[in-house]
Amino acid sequence: DQQVKQNSPSLSVQEGRISILNCDYTNSMFDYFLWYKKYPAEGPTFLISISSIKDKNEDGRFTVFLNKSAKHLSLHIVPSQPGDSAVYFCAASGVSTGTASKLTFGTGTRLQVTL
Amino acid sequence: DAGITQSPRHKVTETGTPVTLRCHQTENHRYMYWYRQDPGHGLRLIHYSYGVKDTDKGEVSDGYSVSRSKTEDFLLTLESATSSQTSVYFCAISELGQGLSGYTFGSGTRLTVV
Repeated sequence: DQQVKQNSPSLSVQEGRISILNCDYTNSMFDYFLWYKKYPAEGPTFLISISSIKDKNEDGRFTVFLNKSAKHLSLHIVPSQPGDSAVYFCAASGVSTGTASKLTFGTGTRLQVTL
Repeated sequence: DAGITQSPRHKVTETGTPVTLRCHQTENHRYMYWYRQDPGHGLRLIHYSYGVKDTDKGEVSDGYSVSRSKTEDFLLTLESATSSQTSVYFCAISELGQGLSGYTFGSGTRLTVV
């Protein structure tokens, strides 16, 4: 059962416009939410995160919004640049239970930023 | 990426043979993870380690075993490779084992089982 869902497999946005990537989750015990970016033939790289006590976190062109009641988060990229073209993964975890927190990933959204 | 390397980068093996993938880190991080990436499934956790000789199963652990005899090395073994284990395997490390700080991933190993 997919606990973290990214329902849009792909998204195409013009350079300079806003990209909005969406993610839904089902596990109410998740407390941390992260976005990763992945280029072909490379490992995922950490982009931005948010804890459940916040509803927004901003880092430069990237902003993550969390709506806990709807179990929904989104990543906004403004303005979008061609170098942002990649696969974006949403991930979530609960509070560490003593051994390690484990990230559960969504299926990914491929973003293409066109000129 | 700097601080974490996976070997080999590519491997083709035959069904039924054992295969070992290696993850090596120079960051002295306590936590290490093995994920596999498949189309339509994203990244799924196979096994993880929270210290030397301390490991536990993830959501897709069947057919896999791991070992961690040193802080820097985390080995993933496919005991008898099957075609369903054709995938891209990623190792990740984490200093705190806590969700907000994220993991650092290696560049991946593309494994093909024929």
